[in-house]
Amino acid sequence: AQSVTQLGSHVSVSEGALVLLRCNYSSSVPPYLFWYVQYPNQGLQLLLKYTSAATLVKGINGFEAEFKKSETSFHLTKPSAHMSDAAEYFCAVSEPNAGKSTFGDGTTLTVKP
Amino acid sequence: DADVTQTPRNRITKTGKRIMLECSQTKGHDRMYWYRQDPGLGLRLIYYSFDVKDINKGEISDGYSVSRQAQAKFSLSLESAIPNQTALYFCATSAVDRSYNEQFFGPGTRLTVL
Repeated sequence: AQSVTQLGSHVSVSEGALVLLRCNYSSSVPPYLFWYVQYPNQGLQLLLKYTSAATLVKGINGFEAEFKKSETSFHLTKPSAHMSDAAEYFCAVSEPNAGKSTFGDGTTLTVKP
Repeated sequence: DADVTQTPRNRITKTGKRIMLECSQTKGHDRMYWYRQDPGLGLRLIYYSFDVKDINKGEISDGYSVSRQAQAKFSLSLESAIPNQTALYFCATSAVDRSYNEQFFGPGTRLTVL
């Protein structure tokens, strides 16, 4: 069985500050991992994905995430927050060929001017 | 044009009514999914379909049914709506030739059951 835990349902940062959104996963096999972003009144869109190649994954809009097997983590970071980053972020895990993903509860990012 | 479309985008209905939410996709994907989103609960899988003849229950299928009319169409029905089915509903698709299940989402349907 697979599961995802996102630590912190709300994160608030100042514009220009580091963004760190935490995700820990559980999986019985080597997983695939994803971060999705949901802007207000929109569906989810893929931010980045880990598919067992490089452990440091770069995504859109300056975000990146590092897969750490020893810590079962896949935290999302961005060096400098922008007002347009305000959104809800979801971490998801998928087992190879399972055809399904399990999503975390989401983290709402607020960016203060 | 959007690759995954959902109709209606907003719907208000009354307890006991039957309602259908529709999803269409032009991505050519075989796999389709229905999720509901509630504040603080993330996305929960209602039903999923790997092809027209393969439909599976997700973690919260009670009170819902689905129909896969074609590769491109997947509908979700609430036979007798109840207030705790008030939520944001998303349709998603993924490609069968991708083992890692990246999903593509529609814009969502906001359903209110009074």
